[in-house]
Amino acid sequence: QVQLKETGPGLVQPTQTLSITCTVSGFSLTSYYMQWVRQTPGKGLEWMGFIRSGGSTEYNSEFKSRLSISRDTSKNQVFLKMNSLKTEDTGVYYCARTTVALFDYWGQGVMVTVSS
Amino acid sequence: DIQMTQSPASLSASLEEIVTITCKASQGIDDYLSWYQQKPGKSPQLLIYDATSLADGVPSRFSGSRSGTQYSLKISRPQVDDSGIYYCLQSYSTPYTFGAGTKLELK
Repeated sequence: QVQLKETGPGLVQPTQTLSITCTVSGFSLTSYYMQWVRQTPGKGLEWMGFIRSGGSTEYNSEFKSRLSISRDTSKNQVFLKMNSLKTEDTGVYYCARTTVALFDYWGQGVMVTVSS
Repeated sequence: DIQMTQSPASLSASLEEIVTITCKASQGIDDYLSWYQQKPGKSPQLLIYDATSLADGVPSRFSGSRSGTQYSLKISRPQVDDSGIYYCLQSYSTPYTFGAGTKLELK
């Protein structure tokens, strides 16, 4: 069955880089877009960006040049990297699979706290 | 960016009522509108896609509709398990945008 699971550091210091891995099973990354969405106390649910089935990416300009999404299809993994973290980046980060722009499967999410 | 104005922010309903939650898009989104339910500590779960289509496994008491650029989620005779926060999402154009959420309490 389709499964997605995010793993990440939990605690990150301000100005540092966040790295989260989404490991998927039950489908191929070359057949679906994969999204990153976060949920913060300040802004609620926010779309961050996606990586297309073909491997190209698109980002929310809100994150300017801080964000990078990549993947390793051989390992069934999608990666999120975001630098220059601020306390406002504290929240839960989700990966989600999309089928024709509907988010049909989500990971459980990973809580990230940005604090010194 | 397309703004999604969701209302109400919260509501309390009885099990006999019909619950309606709305999202108004700031421009046309060609029915690229989906609804999600989120329970505490869990990820959002897809309920409705393409404005009116019921996702697999979702009870038929949930339905979606559109009038102009206003989209509605209706829950007919809700169950206690329907408590949670409901969000709309437009995926017509990037940046995709969510509504602010509606917290539903059933009494």
